Amino acid sequence: DAGVIQSPRHEVTEMGQEVTLRCKPISGHNSLFWYRQTMMRGLELLIYFNNNVPIDDSGMPEDRFSAKMPNASFSTLKIQPSEPRDSAVYFCASSFRQGANGYTFGSGTRLTVV
Amino acid sequence: GENVEQHPSTLSVQEGDSAVIKCTYSDSASNYFPWYKQELGKGPQLIIDIRSNVGEKKDQRIAVTLNKTAKHFSLHITETQPEDSAVYFCAASIGGGFQKLVFGTGTRLLVSP
Repeated sequence: DAGVIQSPRHEVTEMGQEVTLRCKPISGHNSLFWYRQTMMRGLELLIYFNNNVPIDDSGMPEDRFSAKMPNASFSTLKIQPSEPRDSAVYFCASSFRQGANGYTFGSGTRLTVV
Repeated sequence: GENVEQHPSTLSVQEGDSAVIKCTYSDSASNYFPWYKQELGKGPQLIIDIRSNVGEKKDQRIAVTLNKTAKHFSLHITETQPEDSAVYFCAASIGGGFQKLVFGTGTRLLVSP
């Protein structure tokens, strides 16, 4: 299995632009999570899905952030408009049995907003 | 809100020594406690986990202990090797399920040959 696949690995964008991060979970996993990692705040859960349905988005920082999971093999995290304080590493993770066996994380997308 | 405190933030040991990382949690409903290892440029990787109905779990050189009364759990690495050098994160589930995790702030472990 190729694991959780995220793209792009690195993204540099100008303030005000729209950014879309992509994630392909492990086949057969039915839960998907988006995390953000910064030096100041560590790993923060933004949103998670069960069976493609958003369950908890209480960690999404602002309305500028949105996430979708149109099918079991694809999810996006969109920031519109982007701001410099959104600069971070964004991780996607997936799990089976609603997390009972732990998460598998992707390699992350390093986002820099200038 | 619920939080997880992790200590120390950095830990330097000599190869062959043991390393211990400690965490405390605040949510009494927490029932799942995983540990992740993160190497530079990579995502966190699950290395061991423990459920609330178990006090200790071991996997080769790695062991985790849990004290639910005190809300403490710890990671023990014996016979450390240079390839153990990484950042280690503890986490605790919140809300009574397994899915929603709160992570500690991480421990940077450096094992010197």
